[in-house]
Amino acid sequence: QVQLQESGPGLVYPSQPLSLTCSVSGGSISSGGYHWNWIRQPAGKGLEWIGRIYGIGTINFNPSLRSRVTISMDPSKNQFSLTLTSVTAADTAVYYCARARVASETYWGHGILVTVSS
Amino acid sequence: MLTQPHSVAESPGKTVTISCTGSSGNIASNYVQWYQQRPGSGPTTVIYEDIRRASGVPDRFSGSIDSSSNSASLTISGLRTEDEADYYCQSYESSIWVFGGGTRLTVL
Repeated sequence: QVQLQESGPGLVYPSQPLSLTCSVSGGSISSGGYHWNWIRQPAGKGLEWIGRIYGIGTINFNPSLRSRVTISMDPSKNQFSLTLTSVTAADTAVYYCARARVASETYWGHGILVTVSS
Repeated sequence: MLTQPHSVAESPGKTVTISCTGSSGNIASNYVQWYQQRPGSGPTTVIYEDIRRASGVPDRFSGSIDSSSNSASLTISGLRTEDEADYYCQSYESSIWVFGGGTRLTVL
């Protein structure tokens, strides 16, 4: 069964970039048909989809975050990554990575808390 | 945009239904997923593709769609205390994911 694990700094200074990596085990990130997603959840609030990457590099973004988000894949490491620029306290949240595919359940990572503070 | 009730409460052994209402026909034309999030944990899939149970999910959980009202529902029968959690519906709008605001299920 596939497993996903988020990693990255737990504290980011305001205006700096937030960079996270999702390491995938139990399946190849290059396997066809899978979509690799980033989702976040501020404390006490609901889920917010950030974006996804799939295929040979097709990317979809949440329009509200599009201008600040980069998503990439590294098949050699079986990882995909998120970079969010110009962060503020409003970007403080638990960040999740997830694998989705048509006709299959979505698998989630355990999440990583990222705090934006000086 | 997906709209869910903020909270529902029911007694053990009873049945509860959580609704998810879409806008602009999105539920009628796209699959809906349901996620369970227990306190302090990340989300896990309960239902995918409207009605399919994820692996290991008991058949007490079921999903349905009402295209006429552009809504989806998650029904949990034989409620157990372990079902107490937040439940989120998720669908699509123009290739992007959209989530409902989440429903807090309390099993009294």
